[in-house]
Amino acid sequence: DVKVTQSSRYLVKRTGEKVFLECVQDMDHENMFWYRQDPGLGLRLIYFSYDVKMKEKGDIPEGYSVSREKKERFSLILESASTNQTSMYLCASSFSGEVQETQYFGPGTRLLVL
Amino acid sequence: AQKVTQAQTEISVVEKEDVTLDCVYETRDTTYYLFWYKQPPSGELVFLIRRNSFDEQNEISGRYSWNFQKSTSSFNFTITASQVVDSAVYFCALSEAGPPLVFGKGTRLSVIA
Repeated sequence: DVKVTQSSRYLVKRTGEKVFLECVQDMDHENMFWYRQDPGLGLRLIYFSYDVKMKEKGDIPEGYSVSREKKERFSLILESASTNQTSMYLCASSFSGEVQETQYFGPGTRLLVL
Repeated sequence: AQKVTQAQTEISVVEKEDVTLDCVYETRDTTYYLFWYKQPPSGELVFLIRRNSFDEQNEISGRYSWNFQKSTSSFNFTITASQVVDSAVYFCALSEAGPPLVFGKGTRLSVIA
């Protein structure tokens, strides 16, 4: 079974703090993704990566950056957390061996920025 | 541009009732993929099904079934004899030429015992 893990289920940070959200997958997937989920807005793509050290902006990259130094790990960074970044963050990964590969998700991190 | 509409924000049914979740999509491509995911209260999205645009056969998996109709750009999901464990948020998603998925806003299903 595909396993995608996220470093924290719940996180509370203060405005202005630098926040790291870590995601690890154990299936040797090439593609990794970060989404945020907000009530009434569904899932919105922040960043994704097709390979190590590669990244692509999604629909809402402002205020975020990412890092992919190893294939299995994809980090989301909030350089200076703000209250409007309070949200549920979901990581996903997928295999590139077939077209339109299925994405598998981690359990999510609920971030509260005070 | 891709777009996925799940018009039903919330649905509430009594256990053992059948329920259909609607999904309407927009795309200009002839090749695309449609997905359904389930998000239980625990938060993790669970993959349910993937269907490509060339396969319009309906799919059945236990109590779950999917009806794909290109003529109406719909990919509806039916749960037969619903159970409390089916309570979750269900997302429909679309993908065209690349991995990023476009998700609908989700339908929250509550099954009452």
